[in-house]
Amino acid sequence: EDQVTQSPEALRLQEGESSSLNCSYTVSGLRGLFWYRQDPGKGPEFLFTLYSAGEEKEKERLKATLTKKESFLHITAPKPEDSATYLCAVPSGGYQKVTFGTGTKLQVIP
Amino acid sequence: NAGVTQTPKFRILKIGQSMTLQCAQDMNHNYMYWYRQDPGMGLKLIYYSVGAGITDKGEVPNGYNVSRSTTEDFPLRLELAAPSQTSVYFCASSYLQGNTEAFFGQGTRLTVV
Repeated sequence: EDQVTQSPEALRLQEGESSSLNCSYTVSGLRGLFWYRQDPGKGPEFLFTLYSAGEEKEKERLKATLTKKESFLHITAPKPEDSATYLCAVPSGGYQKVTFGTGTKLQVIP
Repeated sequence: NAGVTQTPKFRILKIGQSMTLQCAQDMNHNYMYWYRQDPGMGLKLIYYSVGAGITDKGEVPNGYNVSRSTTEDFPLRLELAAPSQTSVYFCASSYLQGNTEAFFGQGTRLTVV
């Protein structure tokens, strides 16, 4: 069965303190990996798609990387507005099905 | 550009009642999805549609039904509501298949009592 595991469950950072979130996956035939950001009371917001090991994508203070077994979301010098839950997901089973992780709740303290 | 609009935002249902959660998108996306999100669990796919007139079951379809008569609308019907259907429901749409780069609505928080 396809699985996506995110760690840590929660992370508290001081403003400017860089760190990384982890998403490990078990899926037969990776067809991509997605990162989303979810603010409280809102729907997920798409951040990145990574398709192959070694690929990297950046957006402001966020950089996503992909290996054959896991993905990292690196947050450089975070600000309080980066506080959110970050979700990763992989296509699994049929072409329209996606397995989501349970997310990492990030809190950035001023 | 409104994106994906869900109504209502909140609803309380009694056991055995029925309701329809509305979802509309204005981006002309062929692919639309319904998810539920429970505390401590990842988003679970309920139903999806690859275009008007075409729907299929996802991971947790029992107790739900959908229809897709137009590209824009993808309502989710709950028949005979049960406490296990208490959840937050999200509708999403995407231009690409496989829920790639999907746009999500704001969600509907449903409580069944």
